[in-house]
Amino acid sequence: GEDVEQSLFLSVREGDSSVINCTYTDSSSTYLYWYKQEPGAGLQLLTYIFSNMDMKQDQRLTVLLNKKDKHLSLRIADTQTGDSAIYFCAESTASNTGKLIFGQGTTLQVKP
Amino acid sequence: DAGVTQSPTHLIKTRGQQVTLRCSPKSGHDTVSWYQQALGQGPQFIFQYYEEEERQRGNFPDRFSGHQFPNYSSELNVNALLLGDSALYLCASIGGGIGYEQYFGPGTRLTVT
Repeated sequence: GEDVEQSLFLSVREGDSSVINCTYTDSSSTYLYWYKQEPGAGLQLLTYIFSNMDMKQDQRLTVLLNKKDKHLSLRIADTQTGDSAIYFCAESTASNTGKLIFGQGTTLQVKP
Repeated sequence: DAGVTQSPTHLIKTRGQQVTLRCSPKSGHDTVSWYQQALGQGPQFIFQYYEEEERQRGNFPDRFSGHQFPNYSSELNVNALLLGDSALYLCASIGGGIGYEQYFGPGTRLTVT
């Protein structure tokens, strides 16, 4: 079945690194995404990774994928107060790229 | 380049009424997906439209229906509204029909009283 799990809350100090974790169950998942949602807003696509990749880096963001364990993580370096938001992990398959399966979201709180 | 736009921003309806939400995809995108996001939850896939047809559907009742127009814009209709339909409704657009990058609009907040 399709299921994506995330921890619900993470609190860090400004300037520290944040690591948000996600696990998924669908072994046919081909694309894995991270979205950011600020209060009262829609979803902003942060980054994505193909299942044949282990890592992807984009400025302060690093995505790590352990396909064997079906574990995905998002590391935010030098976390800023503006990074406070809800972060969603999502997955889709090659045969079904239009349907994203989302986790329940991780609330990141950045303390000054 | 305009991103995904949705209207209205907020809407209040009474149980039993019908509602229509609208979405214009990102320029150059021809596929639209709709999601329902209940408070404190992740978005749930409702359905997707491509070439003016519903291509796939999530686990939502027939009260939820949609339409896509020749200019790729889309509508989501919900009939016989229930209190549980109160949510943020998000539209996402995809380019190329089988593209994997989905860009979301700001959403429509529907409150059913």
